Amino acid sequence: AQKITQTQPGMFVQEKEAVTLDCTYDTSDPSYGLFWYKQPSSGEMIFLIYQGSYDQQNATEGRYSLNFQKARKSANLVISASQLGDSAMYFCAMREAAGGGADGLTFGKGTHLIIQP
Amino acid sequence: DSGVTQTPKHLITATGQRVTLRCSPRSGDLSVYWYQQSLDQGLQFLIQYYNGEERAKGNILERFSAQQFPDLHSELNLSSLELGDSALYFCASSVEGLSETQYFGPGTRLLVL
Repeated sequence: AQKITQTQPGMFVQEKEAVTLDCTYDTSDPSYGLFWYKQPSSGEMIFLIYQGSYDQQNATEGRYSLNFQKARKSANLVISASQLGDSAMYFCAMREAAGGGADGLTFGKGTHLIIQP
Repeated sequence: DSGVTQTPKHLITATGQRVTLRCSPRSGDLSVYWYQQSLDQGLQFLIQYYNGEERAKGNILERFSAQQFPDLHSELNLSSLELGDSALYFCASSVEGLSETQYFGPGTRLLVL
């Protein structure tokens, strides 16, 4: 089974609207971290936001927030007031503690977000 | 700019050849990770080094190897290259810890002809 599932291969959104990108994960480890990265067409991977499994509050970073629903194993990224520059691939990733913090990130397949003017 | 540097940016080579990709982590980061991004496999973790020692292995082929040097820069060696090795190779670095963010370099785009 996939550890990270992103069910939206692509999304078109009007500029200034809010966007929710879905991510569900699968782990039996009680301690884990969830990350979102943005990959513009230029190719670099840009860190957006982090949520720890024991964090009581949803993470926020500027226009980005993470809707963390632990029981549902869901970690959706919300982008408020979308901008043209938000057009990119978005990846959800997980790191589990079972590897002693040593293992690399497991990534989903990504969502291609296009913001329309 | 993440602070992670990778060279070269682009590499074109032929099947059967060997190449070396280089990465310099952010100042202060002891962990270096290598990832491969291809259309077939998506983003895959290959290997991690921590302060010069191999720490974890992911889906790294036996034809691939890596090392981290005393100055903490790392090299990924790809040998007996095949067409399917064409991909974007990322290096990332972090301080140690589950919650610590991995910051990615700009990547090396490898094309095997």
